[in-house]
Amino acid sequence: AQSVAQPEDQVNVAEGNPLTVKCTYSVSGNPYLFWYVQYPNRGLQFLLKYITGDNLVKGSYGFEAEFNKSQTSFHLKKPSALVSDSALYFCAAQDGGSTLGRLYFGRGTQLTVWP
Amino acid sequence: GAVVSQHPSWVICKSGTSVKIECRSLDFQATTMFWYRQFPKQSLMLMATSNEGSKATYEQGVEKDKFLINHASLTLSTLTVTSAHPEDSSFYICSASRPSGRRKETQYFGPGTRLLVL
Repeated sequence: AQSVAQPEDQVNVAEGNPLTVKCTYSVSGNPYLFWYVQYPNRGLQFLLKYITGDNLVKGSYGFEAEFNKSQTSFHLKKPSALVSDSALYFCAAQDGGSTLGRLYFGRGTQLTVWP
Repeated sequence: GAVVSQHPSWVICKSGTSVKIECRSLDFQATTMFWYRQFPKQSLMLMATSNEGSKATYEQGVEKDKFLINHASLTLSTLTVTSAHPEDSSFYICSASRPSGRRKETQYFGPGTRLLVL
């Protein structure tokens, strides 16, 4: 079965410190991988995606993610967290063998950055 | 670019009534739109995949007669919750996929619609 795992429900960091939000996947083929952010009562905003090529992907708002094929991971990172980064983060994967475009989501990680 | 809107942003209705939610891709043509449901503090649950000009594909366990989906144009898909009941109260989110070759790549999400059925 296709699945995406975010092992941490909650991540807390101090402003200015680096942050990591973890994601591992189990999706067939060569999946496309995505990170989205959701603010309260809002839809999801696209942050970044990995398709192919360089394992380090840079996205919006200073976020980046590192694709590791051997560990089937796609962790989200930021060198210096901001209070405004506090939100719910979703990792998602798209089946590499499908043309349907269906996304498989992790359960989400609540990031809290305190001043 | 790649803006998706939803209307209404929130709706309160009486049990037994039907509610229609619109999802529009504002600056691109979306051959595929997706409808999700999200419960508090939980992930998104895919309800159905909607392709322009054809019947929607529903996920297992989602009643197609309860949640009617119409994708009449390349920029508009609608979800109608028929005979709504309190258990249908939820946050409904649509997304639109901008076609890129064979694979449907990034999905762009609408802001969501909060439905409360009394």
